[in-house]
Amino acid sequence: EAQVTQNPRYLITVTGKKLTVTCSQNMNHEYMSWYRQDPGLGLRQIYYSMNVEVTDKGDVPEGYKVSRKEKRNFPLILESPSPNQTSLYFCASSLFGAPNTEAFFGQGTRLTVV
Amino acid sequence: AQKITQTQPGMFVQEKEAVTLDCTYDTSDQSYGLFWYKQPSSGEMIFLIYQGSYDEQNATEGRYSLNFQKARKSANLVISASQLGDSAMYFCAMREGRAGGTSYGKLTFGQGTILTVHP
Repeated sequence: EAQVTQNPRYLITVTGKKLTVTCSQNMNHEYMSWYRQDPGLGLRQIYYSMNVEVTDKGDVPEGYKVSRKEKRNFPLILESPSPNQTSLYFCASSLFGAPNTEAFFGQGTRLTVV
Repeated sequence: AQKITQTQPGMFVQEKEAVTLDCTYDTSDQSYGLFWYKQPSSGEMIFLIYQGSYDEQNATEGRYSLNFQKARKSANLVISASQLGDSAMYFCAMREGRAGGTSYGKLTFGQGTILTVHP
């Protein structure tokens, strides 16, 4: 089954404790990205990757890191989480970044930083 | 800069009736794609329908249709014969097509509309 898998689904952590949210897709997609969803703001792009070893900042990259060492995986790293990073996070992948390609989303990770 | 506006924070509709969710967009690109996603209370993002900027016909997918008015830069979602299971948050999103641009591949989302279907 074609899917994007995020882990964990739920995470509560303390300020400053490094964490990683994993994302894996099995569709051989080139384009992957991370979004955060906040009430009243919709989803905003954090980082994206057009292919292996090619990553770039989205609209809200501060406080986040990513890597793309393999085509299927695109982890999101919070080196020192802060309460303002409490949010719902989505990983998405698509075959390419072209405007007519559908994005497939992971199930979401609800992160709470206390 | 690309922008999506959904002006209806919440909408109510009676079961079996049709409802229109509004979406306007702003872009300077000629090539772009417009998407609608449904987010039920469980949180996942479900793709509903897609419209390309060069498509001359309005997109349809079952009970969903997209009322695309390019000159007005609007891409409203029409849900016919509403069902209780349609109660959810709905997002309009746009993807621009300029390869090599800083926004290439990015989906820009609106704020969302919460739809409630009454029995």
